[in-house]
Amino acid sequence: DSGVTQTPKHLITATGQRVTLRCSPRSGDLSVYWYQQSLDQGLQFLIQYYNGEERAKGNILERFSAQQFPDLHSELNLSSLELGDSALYFCASSVNGAGNSPLHFGNGTRLTVT
Amino acid sequence: DQQVKQNSPSLSVQEGRISILNCDYTNSMFDYFLWYKKYPAEGPTFLISISSIKDKNEDGRFTVFLNKSAKHLSLHIVPSQPGDSAVYFCAASAIGGATNKLIFGTGTLLAVQP
Repeated sequence: DSGVTQTPKHLITATGQRVTLRCSPRSGDLSVYWYQQSLDQGLQFLIQYYNGEERAKGNILERFSAQQFPDLHSELNLSSLELGDSALYFCASSVNGAGNSPLHFGNGTRLTVT
Repeated sequence: DQQVKQNSPSLSVQEGRISILNCDYTNSMFDYFLWYKKYPAEGPTFLISISSIKDKNEDGRFTVFLNKSAKHLSLHIVPSQPGDSAVYFCAASAIGGATNKLIFGTGTLLAVQP
């Protein structure tokens, strides 16, 4: 158990809809990351937050947004969903937002857009 | 542009033998490298890391080797066990930056045959 909690585990929705994925980091970790894993792909970095502030942005679509709250949990919002957004979405956390500290991953949310 | 590459999608090894997983990278700014293991329906689990000031790091049955001039790293598992069967991801980051976002390879599926 990595200590990172993601909800829900599975989500099925229709094209055009909006969903929210939730992540609680490990106790004591200040930084949260979101990654997307599509079929047969590696993990693609989406966005990072550190102590409530956006720290780095990757290949995140404009239809997607995220935030980290004062209690350090994070939410990833996906809107105007398309079939191609179907993927595994992983949240990870680390103690700090920089330096040589490994990321610890949750078990992911599997999103299916029909 | 795939900055971290794992050119072998799969590898099959006999129990008790050595497993060698390879990874190449293109970005010379990377100075921190990690290996993650992933079982189905779970998030990636941190295995072992190495910084660019070293060329070898060992942890039990797992050893990571780094060849900076060739921009190549490898993970050796000795002896291999059936429980090691999983997808292995190589990842890299630049410690000196303001973020330790990890760039992942596409993974290698290791199958250890009893």
